[in-house]
Order: sequence, then structure tokens, then C-alpha cells
Amino acid sequence: AAGVIQSPRHLIKEKRETATLKCYPIPRHDTVYWYQQGPGQDPQFLISFYEKMQSDKGSIPDRFSAQQFSDYHSELNMSSLELGDSALYFCASSPADLRGGGTYEQYFGPGTRLTVT
Amino acid sequence: SQQGEEDPQALSIQEGENATMNCSYKTSINNLQWYRQNSGRGLVHLILIRSNEREKHSGRLRVTLDTSKKSSSLLITASRAADTASYFCATKAAGNKLTFGGGTRVLVKP
Repeated sequence: AAGVIQSPRHLIKEKRETATLKCYPIPRHDTVYWYQQGPGQDPQFLISFYEKMQSDKGSIPDRFSAQQFSDYHSELNMSSLELGDSALYFCASSPADLRGGGTYEQYFGPGTRLTVT
Repeated sequence: SQQGEEDPQALSIQEGENATMNCSYKTSINNLQWYRQNSGRGLVHLILIRSNEREKHSGRLRVTLDTSKKSSSLLITASRAADTASYFCATKAAGNKLTFGGGTRVLVKP
């Protein structure tokens, strides 16, 4: 079965550079989520999109922005990178939980490991 | 502080033994999910339990949910070396985001 695809899998950047992470959700999933997991930490929610609109926002720095495109893929843009941005960045997708019943699980991609030097 | 917190932080058992880990959370939830993560890799969804469910089984996994105590437990029966991983609980309240707990590192020794 198709899974969430993330690219690149590994990325090394220097401080103050920019980075763009891409996420391709499972077919027919219209909701995309971004999470950040620092070394030895639990994943932290950054932002989510449904039908190309931002649906929820977490602890995403102002230096970061994201969008979802018409084909439902999403990109996380990170500017003025800092050493503390080094982390695993996960994308997840799910069908839309339109009725709010909370029945849909989120399927996670393999993550992009960003290292800022 | 985190929405979900896990106990214990680390667990070491012999192959064939059962592993139990607990998760507590603070606010009302729609569902609670358990994930497994092998070192530095992706999160694998294990099981989802809705707020109106008390117990759920999936293979060697058994999850309980006590909304009055705001807690959940994950039991892995007859553990295998391949079960060695970190296990996270994640809660979904209103909105889309999952709030993860601190994770339990499980080591299953052959």
C-alpha cells in the first residue's frame, strides 16, 4: 500500500540558510500534518492543512511557513535556520475528520532529518 | 508541560515476557493513539482507541483507556526482540493535531 513520501530524507544546511521539505500524502488523504522531533524528544505538532487551507497551528516558528498544493502535497519552508532547528521532521496524512469523531489515524512518513551546522 | 506523559521512561525485559507502559493526559480527548518508533526512524501507528471505548486488542497488543483517570495503558504480550523500540501515546482533542507523550523506550533482550 502507498505510504506518505517525504523528501529529501536527509538534509544538511548551514545557519541562516533556507530549507524546503516536501511531503506527498497517501492517495485520497486530503489532510496533511507536520511534526518536529528534536533529539531525544517527543514529536511536536507544527501545522496542518485541509483542502489547501491551514486547519490547525501549533508551535511553528515565524521563520517557518507551509502550504498545501492542489495535488495535496505539502511543503515546509524554513528560513534563517538555527542550530536548534536540527531535528526529524515528520509529515503525516489522514482523511478529513469532517464529523469530528476522531476516528481517523494519522499515517506518518519516514521523516526528513535536518542537520543545521 | 506535555499533554501526554508516559511511564516508565524505559523498560528492559526478556523475550517472551509482557511489557506494559502507561500514558496520562490532561485534557478531554477524541481518541488516543499508540505509535512505535525505531531509533531515529518513522512513527508506525499501532492502535487507536476512541474516547467512548475502554479496551481494544490488535494482535499481541492490548490497549485500555480510562477517561475518568485520563490514562491509557499499552500491553505487549509475548514480546519479541523486534519489539525493541520507543512507544509513544498521542492524544487527539479538538482540531487536528496529535499531542505526543514522552515515550517509553522498550528493550527486549533475546
